[in-house]
Amino acid sequence: DAGVIQSPRHEVTEMGQEVTLRCKPISGHDYLFWYRQTMMRGLELLIYFNNNVPIDDSGMPEDRFSAKMPNASFSTLKIQPSEPRDSAVYFCASSLPSLGYNEQFFGPGTRLTVL
Amino acid sequence: GIQVEQSPPDLILQEGANSTLRCNFSDSVNNLQWFHQNPWGQLINLFYIPSGTKQNGRLSATTVATERYSLLYISSSQTTDSGVYFCAGPLTYNQGGKLIFGQGTELSVKP
Repeated sequence: DAGVIQSPRHEVTEMGQEVTLRCKPISGHDYLFWYRQTMMRGLELLIYFNNNVPIDDSGMPEDRFSAKMPNASFSTLKIQPSEPRDSAVYFCASSLPSLGYNEQFFGPGTRLTVL
Repeated sequence: GIQVEQSPPDLILQEGANSTLRCNFSDSVNNLQWFHQNPWGQLINLFYIPSGTKQNGRLSATTVATERYSLLYISSSQTTDSGVYFCAGPLTYNQGGKLIFGQGTELSVKP
């Protein structure tokens, strides 16, 4: 089975540009999570979906960030306009909670650099 | 909010040595995961361990949920064990398993 797939793996952009990160969860998983990793704040949850519906977006830093999940196999995280402080590694993860088992699996991450 | 504390923050070992990493939670968690972030940045699942003890090769983990801590044991360490080790767990009242991560233990294994 393929794991969580993220694209692009690296993104370099200039301040003010729109950035779109993509994620394909593990087939059959009904929870999808977006995390961000920075040196200052560590790993933190931005937003998560259940059955394509956003459940908790309290971690989204500001209105410049938006996330969508149009179907069970695809999600996007968009930053518009991007700023240098958005530079980080963005991880997507998915899970299929059942009978008390709730392990999350992470994609390889997208390293974003905003100049 | 929930606090997840990992210790030690940094650890340097000679190849072949053993080590124990600790993870403390300030509140109850209903499951716990250990991850290894390798030097390329990938987060590798090591253990899903809500309670009890599990072993996988040279690694083992123990979670004592009632006392809100978990331990990760690395025996006969190898240079490939280098990287950052994270523990993470969701909150008992949280649906869907939003993970709260510790700050990690950075391990460096010297040949």
